[in-house]
Amino acid sequence: GAGVSQSPSNKVTEKGKDVELRCDPISGHTALYWYRQSLGQGLEFLIYFQGNSAPDKSGLPSDRFSAERTGGSVSTLTIQRTQQEDSAVYLCASSLDRVGEKLFFGSGTQLSVL
Amino acid sequence: SQKIEQNSEALNIQEGKTATLTCNYTNYSPAYLQWYRQDPGRGPVFLLLIRENEKEKRKERLKVTFDTTLKQSLFHITASQPADSATYLCALYNFNKFYFGSGTKLNVKP
Repeated sequence: GAGVSQSPSNKVTEKGKDVELRCDPISGHTALYWYRQSLGQGLEFLIYFQGNSAPDKSGLPSDRFSAERTGGSVSTLTIQRTQQEDSAVYLCASSLDRVGEKLFFGSGTQLSVL
Repeated sequence: SQKIEQNSEALNIQEGKTATLTCNYTNYSPAYLQWYRQDPGRGPVFLLLIRENEKEKRKERLKVTFDTTLKQSLFHITASQPADSATYLCALYNFNKFYFGSGTKLNVKP
């Protein structure tokens, strides 16, 4: 596709359920980021994948959060045993493998935990 | 602690005027600073990048300055238009990651 694609665009779940969020980056982009944006807040860094290197997981808020990137392309962010404070917009971005290169964002997944 | 501060209050200006948005940071040594535009329900869109050894960058009606001594970047939109109304985010590149401010909402009134 022409841009970063995220699915689903909206997800409503019950507290305690697991959810999976998907990100399909721009073809050829080796760097992939996940961010979380709560209402009226800035983007909170979650995790960063760069090529075949081990991901930088330093932003994951708890061990309920995990992410993987298969084949250097599609990424899935999994949240286990969701809590109400997990409600936010989850944004994925990709970029070329150059230092400081600009990020291309998807439109995000709005997660609502009831 | 590390902080990126943008004015949380909305900036309201009249069409045709110059909008100036501020990004201040502490305890970072960014090699790059970027500005993004975010519209409601959408992801941020890249506007401009400025490197630590650059003082100023321009693109059409946009201008960014970067003062590493003051730890501040200013973002200017000249001849502003209602279509410029959006939230503007600054992002610092440090240790292979981008750290974002919370953004400033700009309202340009006709």
